[in-house]
Amino acid sequence: DAGITQSPRHKVTETGTPVTLRCHQTENHRYMYWYRQDPGHGLRLIHYSYGVKDTDKGEVSDGYSVSRSKTEDFLLTLESATSSQTSVYFCAISESRGGIPGLANTGELFFGEGSRLTVL
Amino acid sequence: AQSVTQPDIHITVSEGASLELRCNYSYGATPYLFWYVQSPGQGLQLLLKYFSGDTLVQGIKGFEAEFKRSQSSFNLRKPSVHWSDAAEYFCAVHGGGYNKLIFGAGTRLAVHP
Repeated sequence: DAGITQSPRHKVTETGTPVTLRCHQTENHRYMYWYRQDPGHGLRLIHYSYGVKDTDKGEVSDGYSVSRSKTEDFLLTLESATSSQTSVYFCAISESRGGIPGLANTGELFFGEGSRLTVL
Repeated sequence: AQSVTQPDIHITVSEGASLELRCNYSYGATPYLFWYVQSPGQGLQLLLKYFSGDTLVQGIKGFEAEFKRSQSSFNLRKPSVHWSDAAEYFCAVHGGGYNKLIFGAGTRLAVHP
């Protein structure tokens, strides 16, 4: 199994509070992603990173920010949590193939076990 | 924009029966396609992937999928389902650079003994 650890695995918080989820990998993979999973929507990409300090928005990035100061860690922050951000959050990692980062590489994604967040 | 549709939200089959899960995609070029499986409380595991070449691809756990460009489909099949196959299945298409994936809404499979 890919070495991906998400923390915390479960969190309950109140509306308006900041929340940070951490994804830690031991695979030295270049790309990291944060997805959220909601019934009827599958997984939707929040943000992704293509290198240290290199990040970009996904399809549902509003209300979220990310940081990647080291290859192994990718943090997702909810600046002011809302009930609509109650979800299961998955971190994933991937590696570039073919030696050319950024192109339409065909590496698969490896997923962590998820972090369940409840915002009351 | 790329998108993936899984028409069936829930499917129930009897153990030993055959299975087909449907997936349709929207993509302008030759797609890279994936099927993932998620057991309860777990992350996602790759079952199989299609990049090019033979349109029938084999995966783990006895699953296979067939890419049909004319129908924009990538359906997942298994000839004989086991109780342990009960899970949620996600189809995904490569969403451009940096290996981003676009996922369908998922199909939840229940297996009756």
